[in-house]
Amino acid sequence: QKEVEQDPGPLSVPEGAIVSLNCTYSNSAFQYFMWYRQYSRKGPELLMYTYSSGNKEDGRFTAQVDKSSKYISLFIRDSQPSDSATYLCAMSSAGGSEKLVFGKGTKLTVNP
Amino acid sequence: EPEVTQTPSHQVTQMGQEVILRCVPISNHLYFYWYRQILGQKVEFLVSFYNNEISEKSEIFDDQFSVERPDGSNFTLKIRSTKLEDSAMYFCASSSGQGVSEQFFGPGTRLTVL
Repeated sequence: QKEVEQDPGPLSVPEGAIVSLNCTYSNSAFQYFMWYRQYSRKGPELLMYTYSSGNKEDGRFTAQVDKSSKYISLFIRDSQPSDSATYLCAMSSAGGSEKLVFGKGTKLTVNP
Repeated sequence: EPEVTQTPSHQVTQMGQEVILRCVPISNHLYFYWYRQILGQKVEFLVSFYNNEISEKSEIFDDQFSVERPDGSNFTLKIRSTKLEDSAMYFCASSSGQGVSEQFFGPGTRLTVL
């Protein structure tokens, strides 16, 4: 079983739609969960950072972590064409200096 | 806003040649990383570096790879004898390492081995 699994998509939605992106993982040592956004030919940019279980909201973005199911989600409300990018989930067993383990990324296109 | 920079943006080399990829991490950060992303695949950890030594490395980071912080600002990744399968995007990242801290990524160097 792969350590982090993410449906690569592609996912295409109309502007204004609610988008749900998901990852599952197998390593129960993971405590820190991140969502990065990556535009074409650019480096990953951190969107959301969650420690342990629960929800975190930042504007149109909501990150959820369910450690019992080893499942994390990112919701994007009122999606915009500028949200079109590849979304990567990433995890680590410790914050700060620990290496990140990434999912494969989901390519999202928001159509105007 | 501080950012991680990487040079060159694209490097083309012949198989068997040595390449050095350069990174300038964010100035007050203490932890430095290299990741790579082969086209169509996930971002993979290569190595982390702290206090002038490697703190962790992956199975990918074999004897052909080395890292160095030659001065107070640069962080380099050297591949001694490149192989075709080293073709990838190489990302440098840095973090302050304190508490819950973000890893900031550079824009990447696209390495093409012919």
